[in-house]
Amino acid sequence: AAGVIQSPRHLIKEKRETATLKCYPIPRHDTVYWYQQGPGQDPQFLISFYEKMQSDKGSIPDRFSAQQFSDYHSELNMSSLELGDSALYFCASSFDRVGGKNIQYFGAGTRLSVL
Amino acid sequence: AQSVAQPEDQVNVAEGNPLTVKCTYSVSGNPYLFWYVQYPNRGLQFLLKYITGDNLVKGSYGFEAEFNKSQTSFHLKKPSALVSDSALYFCAVRDRQNAGNMLTFGGGTRLMVKP
Repeated sequence: AAGVIQSPRHLIKEKRETATLKCYPIPRHDTVYWYQQGPGQDPQFLISFYEKMQSDKGSIPDRFSAQQFSDYHSELNMSSLELGDSALYFCASSFDRVGGKNIQYFGAGTRLSVL
Repeated sequence: AQSVAQPEDQVNVAEGNPLTVKCTYSVSGNPYLFWYVQYPNRGLQFLLKYITGDNLVKGSYGFEAEFNKSQTSFHLKKPSALVSDSALYFCAVRDRQNAGNMLTFGGGTRLMVKP
């Protein structure tokens, strides 16, 4: 079965640079979520999109932005990178319309290292 | 606000013995509850969920969890542990009424199953 695809798997950037993470949800899923997992920490919710509109916002810094495109893929744009942004970034998708299973399926993550 | 507590950083169990990984939650409304497993350098893998209905939920790989509303708990169990069950386990909650679709995770419990 198709899963959530994230690219790239690994990314190395320097401070103050920008980064773009991509997420391709499971086909027919209508909601995409972004989470950040710091070293030794639990995943923290950043932002989500339902049918291409922002649905929820968590602890996403102002330096970050995200959007969901017409083909339902999503991109997380990160600017002015800081050392503390080094983390594993997960994308998840779910089918949340009436009758959906309300289960978020996660991608393998993008490991961002800021030097 | 919703929160999850996993009181044990690590659980050690011998192969073939039963295992329990503890989780308690706090939400203002009714909860959706989930367990995910994370293997090294991998994404979060869905194990099971409680939405409504029977308090005992059965999931993947022989795992089950019991929803206890009075104790606000959702402990993960397995009758007979395997060495391959060794991984990081996260409990997550979603308040279906008040917090949108975002998941709040516990701090994770590392399960070590020894031969």
